Amino acid sequence: GAGVSQSPSNKVTEKGKDVELRCDPISGHTALYWYRQSLGQGLEFLIYFQGNSAPDKSGLPSDRFSAERTGGSVSTLTIQRTQQEDSAVYLCASSPQGGGGRDGYTFGSGTRLTVV
Amino acid sequence: GNSVTQMEGPVTLSEEAFLTINCTYTATGYPSLFWYVQYPGEGLQLLLKATKADDKGSNKGFEATYRKETTSFHLEKGSVQVSDSAVYFCALISGGTSYGKLTFGQGTILTVHP
Repeated sequence: GAGVSQSPSNKVTEKGKDVELRCDPISGHTALYWYRQSLGQGLEFLIYFQGNSAPDKSGLPSDRFSAERTGGSVSTLTIQRTQQEDSAVYLCASSPQGGGGRDGYTFGSGTRLTVV
Repeated sequence: GNSVTQMEGPVTLSEEAFLTINCTYTATGYPSLFWYVQYPGEGLQLLLKATKADDKGSNKGFEATYRKETTSFHLEKGSVQVSDSAVYFCALISGGTSYGKLTFGQGTILTVHP
């Protein structure tokens, strides 16, 4: 597609429920990243996928968070047993090269998650 | 580890004023440096970038020069407009063997009044 597409754009869920957030990167982009933007916390790296390599999960805040990328394209971020502190905007980005994304990433518009 | 420190905001200016948002960094190797902008209700957009020392990135009247000696990448614009009101993020991708994880500063909120 023309840009990075994320869905849903907004999600309200009850505490304790599981949620899935979807990211559809730009066609042909080999690298995909998830970030979280919380009020007062800035932008926090979560996970990185590059081609068929094992993902870098070093930024995931707890084992309730997981992500997968199927067929080197679409990615799903799953949060199990959501907590109120998970409320944030979850941003996905892609870049055309895994060697550093030195041309910058293209970000999606994000999914605003609210846990009530 | 890598880090980016931005001038804290919020910054409030009148239209046509001069803008500077300071950004300094700590990184291994030779990082690439970026400014991203987030307009109200929108996602992050790449504003400009510089990939090596002394490079100047520019876009939409904004400029930033990669200063290795001072590890800085300050954002400037000679005459701001109301439409420039947004949150500005300085960021870097470290060189060396790093695959390219973007490290962001905390962001600076800019408000421009008519």
